[in-house]
Amino acid sequence: QQQVRQSPQSLTVWEGETAILNCSYEDSTFNYFPWYQQFPGEGPALLISIRSVSDKKEDGRFTIFFNKREKKLSLHITDSQPGDSATYFCAASAPNSAGNKLTFGIGTRVLVRP
Amino acid sequence: GGIITQTPKFLIGQEGQKLTLKCQQNFNHDTMYWYRQDSGKGLRLIYYSITENDLQKGDLSEGYDASREKKSSFSLTVTSAQKNEMAVFLCASRSTGGADTQYFGPGTRLLVL
Repeated sequence: QQQVRQSPQSLTVWEGETAILNCSYEDSTFNYFPWYQQFPGEGPALLISIRSVSDKKEDGRFTIFFNKREKKLSLHITDSQPGDSATYFCAASAPNSAGNKLTFGIGTRVLVRP
Repeated sequence: GGIITQTPKFLIGQEGQKLTLKCQQNFNHDTMYWYRQDSGKGLRLIYYSITENDLQKGDLSEGYDASREKKSSFSLTVTSAQKNEMAVFLCASRSTGGADTQYFGPGTRLLVL
């Protein structure tokens, strides 16, 4: 059973539009949710993260909205740029988990057309 | 800042071969991880290590061995490569007791003929 689900698997938007990436999880003990951005040929890099005590986290054009009751979160990329074209992974971890392991979703591939 | 180096960048092997992938980090991080990335399946944890000489199995450890002989390095061995296997192996590290951020290397791309 997939612990972290992401949708859609791929998404195409025009430059300047808002891209919305969805993530949901099963384990109610998860309390830390990082989003990673991965460009082709590179490793993932932390983009933005949120803890379950917050319902929103903003960093420039990237915003996470978090709904603890529904166990859902979303990443909004406003004013999308062609340079935002990448794969985005939602991940989750529980407090005091051995090794602070992260559970990853399968990713959403975003293409921003100029 | 620091960097994670993975070698080799590309690895072509034969069915049944034992293959070793290496990872080095200069963050002075305690915890290191090996993930396997397959298209459409996200990242799956193979092994992790919370300190030198420590090894812990992840969800995908069968068919792999790992070694953490120094704090800065973490090796992964594919014990018997499977024919037509194609995946990217990612190494990551994280500082214990600090932020939860895992930093990733660029990956080793494996192809088994």
